Amino acid sequence: EDQVTQSPEALRLQEGESSSLNCSYTVSGLRGLFWYRQDPGKGPEFLFTLYSAGEEKEKERLKATLTKKESFLHITAPKPEDSATYLCAVRLSGSRLTFGEGTQLTVNP
Amino acid sequence: DTEVTQTPKHLVMGMTNKKSLKCEQHMGHRAMYWYKQKAKKPPELMFVYSYEKLSINESVPSRFSPECPNSSLLNLHLHALQPEDSALYLCASSQDGGLGNQPQHFGDGTRLSIL
Repeated sequence: EDQVTQSPEALRLQEGESSSLNCSYTVSGLRGLFWYRQDPGKGPEFLFTLYSAGEEKEKERLKATLTKKESFLHITAPKPEDSATYLCAVRLSGSRLTFGEGTQLTVNP
Repeated sequence: DTEVTQTPKHLVMGMTNKKSLKCEQHMGHRAMYWYKQKAKKPPELMFVYSYEKLSINESVPSRFSPECPNSSLLNLHLHALQPEDSALYLCASSQDGGLGNQPQHFGDGTRLSIL
């Protein structure tokens, strides 16, 4: 069965303390892995798409990487405004996105 | 600000009411989606429209009725909802007509409360 698992469920960091979020997947026929950020009461905001193992994407303090079994979202020197829930999703054949349960990130000043 | 606009932002309705949620995008995207999201859970797919035709219905109860009047608009008609239908309803769109590998872009949702 296709599955997406994110860890940890929740992460507390001090401002400037770098860390990584993990998204592991057991799917066949991956057509894209997507990272989203969601703030309370808002819709998911698209961050990155990764299509093949070895691919990397960067945006400000965030860097996403992809292997054949997992993706990492690296956060370098985070700021309080990076606090949000980060969702990973994989796209298989057709239109469906399979989401992980998310990682709730809190960055304390 | 997102490029997918949803109205209203909040909606409170009784179980016997009829109401509609609206979604609009002007990015020229050819697939549009409805999702339901409960607190602290990821979005769950409800419906997919590809090139204005309903392509996926994830066994959603008939009290939810989607409509795609044109390529920019998506409606969700609500009737005789239950308290457990209270949730954040998200609209999304993607460029690829739903069959490719392009990202989905989400609106900020309608917070629906059923009394």
